[in-house]
Amino acid sequence: KNEVEQSPQNLTAQEGEFITINCSYSVGISALHWLQQHPGGGIVSLFMLSSGKKKHGRLIATINIQEKHSSLHITASHPRDSAVYICAVSNTGNQFYFGTGTSLTVIP
Amino acid sequence: DGGITQSPKYLFRKEGQNVTLSCEQNLNHDAMYWYRQDPGQGLRLIYYSQIVNDFQKGDIAEGYSVSREKKESFPLTVTSAQKNPTAFYLCASSRQLSPLHFGNGTRLTVT
Repeated sequence: KNEVEQSPQNLTAQEGEFITINCSYSVGISALHWLQQHPGGGIVSLFMLSSGKKKHGRLIATINIQEKHSSLHITASHPRDSAVYICAVSNTGNQFYFGTGTSLTVIP
Repeated sequence: DGGITQSPKYLFRKEGQNVTLSCEQNLNHDAMYWYRQDPGQGLRLIYYSQIVNDFQKGDIAEGYSVSREKKESFPLTVTSAQKNPTAFYLCASSRQLSPLHFGNGTRLTVT
């Protein structure tokens, strides 16, 4: 069983739709990370959070520590949001565990 | 600008040859990591290093070797003992309790 599970694996949305990607984890963590990987492969960190909620532009990340669950929301989705979104968790030993990613395609 | 540089972007080798992937960072991060990414799978840890001259095996270290002689550099050698080396390789670095910073990756094809 993977330490980090994401759903859905694939997601297609129309431009403008509200999108939610879910992440559950089964290990103790110091933080949860949302990453974005564009075609071509480079990965950037979107959020790092250990409690509550963070917002950056049209992206919102939430975490429920008791439920061991996080969500990434994208409001007013745009074709440039098309990418693979990866959930990861880290512990105090600086070890990281990754989900398999959610491939998002936003259609104009 | 600070960041992580991986080179080359694409690498082609014949089976049986060792190949070294470069990773350099100027972020002054202590920790550096090598991950392998295959289609449909999450990132898998090959090796990591928390400090110069020290490194630990990750989940899939067999057939790989690393060195950490300088803080800035963490090269990965894919040896001929790696049974299925064709993959996308990502180098990353971080400070304690901070996000990972990734390089742009090296796509290795072995034929």
